[in-house]
Amino acid sequence: GAVVSQHPSRVICKSGTSVKIECRSLDFQATTMFWYRQFPKKSLMLMATSNEGSKATYEQGVEKDKFLINHASLTLSTLTVTSAHPEDSSFYICSAADRGQPQHFGDGTRLSIL
Amino acid sequence: EDQVTQSPEALRLQEGESSSLNCSYTVSGLRGLFWYRQDPGKGPEFLFTLYSAGEEKEKERLKATLTKKESFLHITAPKPEDSATYLCAVQAGTGNQFYFGTGTSLTVIP
Repeated sequence: GAVVSQHPSRVICKSGTSVKIECRSLDFQATTMFWYRQFPKKSLMLMATSNEGSKATYEQGVEKDKFLINHASLTLSTLTVTSAHPEDSSFYICSAADRGQPQHFGDGTRLSIL
Repeated sequence: EDQVTQSPEALRLQEGESSSLNCSYTVSGLRGLFWYRQDPGKGPEFLFTLYSAGEEKEKERLKATLTKKESFLHITAPKPEDSATYLCAVQAGTGNQFYFGTGTSLTVIP
């Protein structure tokens, strides 16, 4: 149980393109979803927390207009990287949790902006 | 300021050589401490949750323990397939946020 599916697993696109990443909890309801960014050989950096039906709470230094998060249902959250540039290239990971339960993670999305 | 520190940063073991990974934390109102395993290019895989000092959890060759200041992940007779980065995270206070450590990269040599 507690499977989180993240799609796509890899994206390569040109600078200026907007990229949408989906995160789905397949067998449980995710009252909260989290979006992380991970740099090589570094730990997870929390970008934002979203509760179903509410606006996302962004961490300090994360541009909300750059990283658009939608959590429209209890099983789906999306992260859109708008007008992506090479510095946005990274490994993005989502996680989902039901109330009081551990976070379960997707397998991440490798984003490469040329 | 809430903080989670893991040590060592990297650990190389011979197959069968038991050892422990450390996660020390300074948070107010601990609600849970979590251990995850992360393989390269993958998301973290949940291993254990510990809620109170003195609690222990086991899974195959792994055993996690918790005190009021730190947690240990003991690895008994590790195998090469145990090679991965092990992350700990704590949940504290009233929010849903997890505070992650920087991880221990474990390499088990055959």
